[in-house]
Amino acid sequence: RKEVEQDPGPFNVPEGATVAFNCTYSNSASQSFFWYRQDCRKEPKLLMSVYSSGNEDGRFTAQLNRASQYISLLIRDSKLSDSATYLCVVTSGTYKYIFGTGTRLKVLA
Amino acid sequence: ETGVTQTPRHLVMGMTNKKSLKCEQHLGHNAMYWYKQSAKKPLELMFVYSLEERVENNSVPSRFSPECPNSSHLFLHLHTLQPEDSALYLCASSQAGADYGYTFGSGTRLTVV
Repeated sequence: RKEVEQDPGPFNVPEGATVAFNCTYSNSASQSFFWYRQDCRKEPKLLMSVYSSGNEDGRFTAQLNRASQYISLLIRDSKLSDSATYLCVVTSGTYKYIFGTGTRLKVLA
Repeated sequence: ETGVTQTPRHLVMGMTNKKSLKCEQHLGHNAMYWYKQSAKKPLELMFVYSLEERVENNSVPSRFSPECPNSSHLFLHLHTLQPEDSALYLCASSQAGADYGYTFGSGTRLTVV
């Protein structure tokens, strides 16, 4: 089993739609969780951390389910500019971040 | 300058060449990282430096040699690479112990011919 697994997509959604991605992880001792966004041929950029109680940043909501070992990202009212690859990141130790392969999102006009 | 800067942005090198990638961070972070990103694969951690000491080396071939002269600079020295080493090489920095995630540089796109 991979350490971090994501559905590669692509998820093609119309503007204004709500879309959700899940990511599962194998190490139950993982402490920190993040979602990163990566645009084509660019570096990943931190989108948001994921906290145990769940957290929201504008149209984006992240949730953590430790019992089932997954995190999720919900995007409401999708914009064309949300088109990107979304990377799930799970920590393994102080320095080691494990990245998923990413989920590609295409928001269509 | 702010953030994490990497040079060069693009590099084409022959298998017998020696080249170096440079990374500089202006964030006051105490940990720096090299990652490799190949097509359709997750980012692969190569090296981690914390307070200028290498704390992680993920079974990377010896043709990749990192150097961290101080907490703001990180190099990746390359020699006798193979075509399969062609990838995007990303540098990142973080404040170890803090939960803020990484800041990445814009990467060096390396092509080995």
